[in-house]
Amino acid sequence: KAGVTQTPRYLIKTRGQQVTLSCSPISGHRSVSWYQQTPGQGLQFLFEYFSETQRNKGNFPGRFSGRQFSNSRSEMNVSTLELGDSALYLCASSLQGLGGYTFGSGTRLTVV
Amino acid sequence: ILNVEQSPQSLHVQEGDSTNFTCSFPSSNFYALHWYRWETAKSPEALFVMTLNGDEKKKGRISATLNTKEGYSYLYIKGSQPEDSATYLCASNPSSGGSNYKLTFGKGTLLTVNP
Repeated sequence: KAGVTQTPRYLIKTRGQQVTLSCSPISGHRSVSWYQQTPGQGLQFLFEYFSETQRNKGNFPGRFSGRQFSNSRSEMNVSTLELGDSALYLCASSLQGLGGYTFGSGTRLTVV
Repeated sequence: ILNVEQSPQSLHVQEGDSTNFTCSFPSSNFYALHWYRWETAKSPEALFVMTLNGDEKKKGRISATLNTKEGYSYLYIKGSQPEDSATYLCASNPSSGGSNYKLTFGKGTLLTVNP
């Protein structure tokens, strides 16, 4: 079966711009989580969606937002980009959100 | 322990050596402990999910144990091979209040196996 697909793989944006990243989960998976990895840091939890509802949110500013569509695909948006937002963004899908997570290959965002 | 901590940060071993890493996690509100293997430019690959105190899981040359009372897990690799070179991540799910839908990750152990 197809894995978790994240698009785009690489992205370069300028400070102040906004960006939208996409994640298509494994077919049948209804939970999608997003994580950020910056140099020297572990994966930091951003938010989790299940059946179009955000169930949990990490400690990130309001510039970071997300949504999930009826087909379980999810997008995350970062507005007013800062240099510190440069990171690898990973999404993970699972059936119910309590385990069996499958990760995508990530989107590498560079803010210049 | 408030966060998930892994040690060592990095490890260099020779092919054929056996090795192990440690993951410490908050023992209160525990739901599950996950181990992932992450090779450069690929996606993290799930190795094990463990929930019960005393759990032991095995996958080929890799095994893991879990102690939920004291909040630690060990990952063992027997007879390391160069293809085992990767970052090994552990992550915990807490059990309460909606927070169980998030994973808290350690920073990982980078393993390099020299031929």
